[in-house]
Amino acid sequence: NAGVTQTPKFQVLKTGQSMTLQCAQDMNHNSMYWYRQDPGMGLRLIYYSASEGTTDKGEVPNGYNVSRLNKREFSLRLESAAPSQTSVYFCASTDLGGMNTEAFFGQGTRLTVV
Amino acid sequence: KQEVTQIPAALSVPEGENLVLNCSFTDSAIYNLQWFRQDPGKGLTSLLLIQSSQREQTSGRLNASLDKSSGRSTLYIAASQPGDSATYLCAVKAAGNKLTFGGGTRVLVKP
Repeated sequence: NAGVTQTPKFQVLKTGQSMTLQCAQDMNHNSMYWYRQDPGMGLRLIYYSASEGTTDKGEVPNGYNVSRLNKREFSLRLESAAPSQTSVYFCASTDLGGMNTEAFFGQGTRLTVV
Repeated sequence: KQEVTQIPAALSVPEGENLVLNCSFTDSAIYNLQWFRQDPGKGLTSLLLIQSSQREQTSGRLNASLDKSSGRSTLYIAASQPGDSATYLCAVKAAGNKLTFGGGTRVLVKP
């Protein structure tokens, strides 16, 4: 019962370094999402992929890129990390439409940029 | 653009009192609405999912209502317990399968 798996769980980066956050789901969902959560705030959408082969910007896409590698995997890349990108990152997946399409979340990646 | 709002941002109640949490959204053309619970430093746990065609959904002490026309959902938690202390988030799924969250309500249930 893996569900949505994110790696790594924790990461410390220096300003200017790059890294890729990995996300994989085993529920055969069409849609996948990347969010960031800052202290005391809700989740803000960075990018999402409604279906394999498509990606769209969310509310806060600047400084990030994404790749929908296949139906299972959706990665988030920080090309040149900045302290403002210190946050907890969550990946989610769900299926298309509204019927019985509950969203499932990974456990999060806690990223610190120094 | 869909906007989701949760008021109040924080709530404190004595144990045993019923909790009422509000979620409002600006575009009523939604597929569904989902309520989540988040404990400090943890991930999100799904509580209830309401389809756009439904008026309410129940699970144990939890009951969620949906009024799509007015853009509102309410989560009721009966007979609150200290273990209900957490942040509660609502999310709406709409066109393009976009999933938009509210800012959350932080709940403290005092023994």
